[in-house]
Amino acid sequence: KQEVTQIPAALSVPEGENLVLNCSFTDSAIYNLQWFRQDPGKGLTSLLLIQSSQREQTSGRLNASLDKSSGRSTLYIAASQPGDSATYLCAVRSNSGNTPLVFGKGTRLSVIA
Amino acid sequence: KAGVTQTPRYLIKTRGQQVTLSCSPISGHRSVSWYQQTPGQGLQFLFEYFSETQRNKGNFPGRFSGRQFSNSRSEMNVSTLELGDSALYLCASTRPEAGGTDTQYFGPGTRLTVL
Repeated sequence: KQEVTQIPAALSVPEGENLVLNCSFTDSAIYNLQWFRQDPGKGLTSLLLIQSSQREQTSGRLNASLDKSSGRSTLYIAASQPGDSATYLCAVRSNSGNTPLVFGKGTRLSVIA
Repeated sequence: KAGVTQTPRYLIKTRGQQVTLSCSPISGHRSVSWYQQTPGQGLQFLFEYFSETQRNKGNFPGRFSGRQFSNSRSEMNVSTLELGDSALYLCASTRPEAGGTDTQYFGPGTRLTVL
């Protein structure tokens, strides 16, 4: 059974810092991995999706990497801003792709001005 | 292009009642998934519908059910509500067939409070 863990559960950084959020998964036979952002009381916004054949994806100040063999993904946020404050969730889809996403519990990020 | 919409946004019910939540996916998306989010358990998968057929089901009791209509709109129903059913219920749509990226697009959620 796939399990997804995100550490730390919460993180507070000053504005302008570069930071890394971590995601680990127990079964390396994944189809893809997706990073989401969730603002308080709101739905999820997709940030990046990495297919199992890819090593990384970039969008603006965000870069996500995937290392299937070690069961890890990282989300790198460059030059953090107060508007980046949110909960970041990692989700993994296993095997063929017709399996549901398994989510980690997220990392709550606070960027202090 | 309109996003995923969910109605109602907020609901207050009492134990024992039943509730129906609605989700309209992005136009052209035929897959709809439902999730329950609570502070303790995080996001947990309820079920997925594709072309009116349930394709996957999570580990929830039979009180939780769903369906999908021919226009891809989906509803989920919870019968005999319990206090523990209080949660944010999220719906997501995707276009997983040929050419789709499998990116899931989420609605704003329905906040259900059971008293």
